[in-house]
Amino acid sequence: EAQVTQNPRYLITVTGKKLTVTCSQNMNHEYMSWYRQDPGLGLRQIYYSMNVEVTDKGDVPEGYKVSRKEKRNFPLILESPSPNQTSLYFCASSVDRSNTGELFFGEGSRLTVL
Amino acid sequence: QKEVEQNSGPLSVPEGAIASLNCTYSDRGSQSFFWYRQYSGKSPELIMFIYSNGDKEDGRFTAQLNKASQYVSLLIRDSQPSDSATYLCAGSSASKIIFGSGTRLSIRP
Repeated sequence: EAQVTQNPRYLITVTGKKLTVTCSQNMNHEYMSWYRQDPGLGLRQIYYSMNVEVTDKGDVPEGYKVSRKEKRNFPLILESPSPNQTSLYFCASSVDRSNTGELFFGEGSRLTVL
Repeated sequence: QKEVEQNSGPLSVPEGAIASLNCTYSDRGSQSFFWYRQYSGKSPELIMFIYSNGDKEDGRFTAQLNKASQYVSLLIRDSQPSDSATYLCAGSSASKIIFGSGTRLSIRP
């Protein structure tokens, strides 16, 4: 089954404790991206990756890091989480750069930072 | 700031009627437009995309694009209770995609 898998789905952590949200896709997609969704603000892009070893900032990259060492994986790293990073996070992928809007989304990861 | 604007709703439509969802965008460089449906507590799901001016139909859904007016719409015919969801409009140019904040649609029996 074609899918984008995120883990963990739910996480409560404390300020400053580093965490990683993993994302993996099994569709051999080149393009992957991370979004956060907050009430009234919609989906905002954090980082995206056109291909292995190619990453770039989205609209709200502050406080986040990413890496793309393998085509299928695109983890999101919060080095020192803060309460304003409490949000619902989605990883998504698409076939390639010419189809960046035709996204397959993971199920989401709800993060609470205390 | 490049934006995609949507009325947040809720938009209430009787079952069997036509639901009309609208979206405007500010970036004239946007080439492609997308409609995603998001059920409460779920992830967004792509339901329609449109690249050219005019109408595109897929079953009960019709997407309309007017690049001169920077306007995108989604029509849902014969609305069903299962269409109750939040609909996200998005526009993309190059590698960037910008989402609107979504319109909440409620289909009343």
